[in-house]
Amino acid sequence: EIVLTQSPGTLSLSPGARATLSCRASQSISSTYLAWYQQKPGQAPRLLIYGASSRATGIPDRFSGSGSGTDFTLTISRLEPEDFAVFYCQQYGTSPSITFGQGTRLEIK
Amino acid sequence: QVQLVESGGGVVQPGRSLRLSCAASGFTFSNYAMNWVRQAPGKGLEWVTVISYDGTSKYYADSVKGRFTISRDNSKNTLYLQMNSLTTGDTAVYYCARVSPPFTSVDRLGYWGQGTLVTVSS
Repeated sequence: EIVLTQSPGTLSLSPGARATLSCRASQSISSTYLAWYQQKPGQAPRLLIYGASSRATGIPDRFSGSGSGTDFTLTISRLEPEDFAVFYCQQYGTSPSITFGQGTRLEIK
Repeated sequence: QVQLVESGGGVVQPGRSLRLSCAASGFTFSNYAMNWVRQAPGKGLEWVTVISYDGTSKYYADSVKGRFTISRDNSKNTLYLQMNSLTTGDTAVYYCARVSPPFTSVDRLGYWGQGTLVTVSS
């Protein structure tokens, strides 16, 4: 089973700052099968990025994804107040199962 | 618009059973694989199970294999999760989630319900 490790566990930044979140896989995965989700308190997760770098429908362009192999990154270029949440990476390349990282909490500094 | 509405959660004693439902609307249900994903209180996301668009393929996380059964009724646009032999470790919010592209099995989860809380407690 592929294990996804996200870092940092918590990231404290101010609105307007740039956020960089990391997701490292225990073995190489195709970038085609790496996604990122945002979850706000009391809400379901929302798909942000799929295929490592493609934005889902309706996602602002301040969100971007990159990476390959075992190292992937979610970048938020300029944080808006509504961006603060928990972010999860997910791999779906090892059919038939999928796995999530443990999450990174992005909080207001 | 795509809507997924879970129901059936509640408080149940250890060792008992519970069946969750997920009513789908706003899309052709029979074209999409469906998943259950759970989240224990204050914890991260855990994938539970997936069923193919036609119901012929089903896969489970090791943590629920042999205890949980996923099924679907494409004529009723409804997904189910039968949960047997429940333990306190199964306490979580259970989300149903639809994959984004049609006619795939394991894929990104583009649409989620709001979840239903299952509490296993004596």
